[in-house]
Amino acid sequence: DQQVKQNSPSLSVQEGRISILNCDYTNSMFDYFLWYKKYPAEGPTFLISISSIKDKNEDGRFTVFLNKSAKHLSLHIVPSQPGDSAVYFCAAKGGWNTGTASKLTFGTGTRLQVTL
Amino acid sequence: GAGVSQSPSNKVTEKGKDVELRCDPISGHTALYWYRQSLGQGLEFLIYFQGNSAPDKSGLPSDRFSAERTGGSVSTLTIQRTQQEDSAVYLCASGSSGGAAHLPQYFGPGTRLTVL
Repeated sequence: DQQVKQNSPSLSVQEGRISILNCDYTNSMFDYFLWYKKYPAEGPTFLISISSIKDKNEDGRFTVFLNKSAKHLSLHIVPSQPGDSAVYFCAAKGGWNTGTASKLTFGTGTRLQVTL
Repeated sequence: GAGVSQSPSNKVTEKGKDVELRCDPISGHTALYWYRQSLGQGLEFLIYFQGNSAPDKSGLPSDRFSAERTGGSVSTLTIQRTQQEDSAVYLCASGSSGGAAHLPQYFGPGTRLTVL
């Protein structure tokens, strides 16, 4: 049972344009969400996160939006740069009173390619 | 500062053999996690250590898998009688506080295990 889903395995965007990566989740006990970026042969690196009490968090070119009612979050990258080309993973965790506080549940990832 | 390191980076073994994978977390991090990523899949939680508490082993797929963490630092993941379906990238992550929602987990580069 995939509790965190990234339905787009790949995305191609032109340099300078906006990249939008989507993520859906099914577990209503999740209360914290993270995005990780992964280059080949490297471990995932933390990018940005958002708590369920917020609907938006911004860090430079990266913004994460959370729609709790729809159980949907998205990562916006503006403007996209060639160095952003990587696999992006969405991850979620629950609060201390759930069974998911001590681990991250990951989506399957979206491969972003930023073209010149 | 030094990040999470893992060894070996690649391991090829024959079916039925035992393997040990090593993780050196970031110095001072009390939380340590093991995940694995099979081909085309997201990261799958395996086990979590936090300080001197009993580990959360809820993600271990079978009793052939075990892990220990000595002295609150280095961890070893052991897979006994390896099977072909164990082939995956095994990722270790550490965090400065176990499960704290505002602190991300920092990943190592992973060990790619191939079982022939």
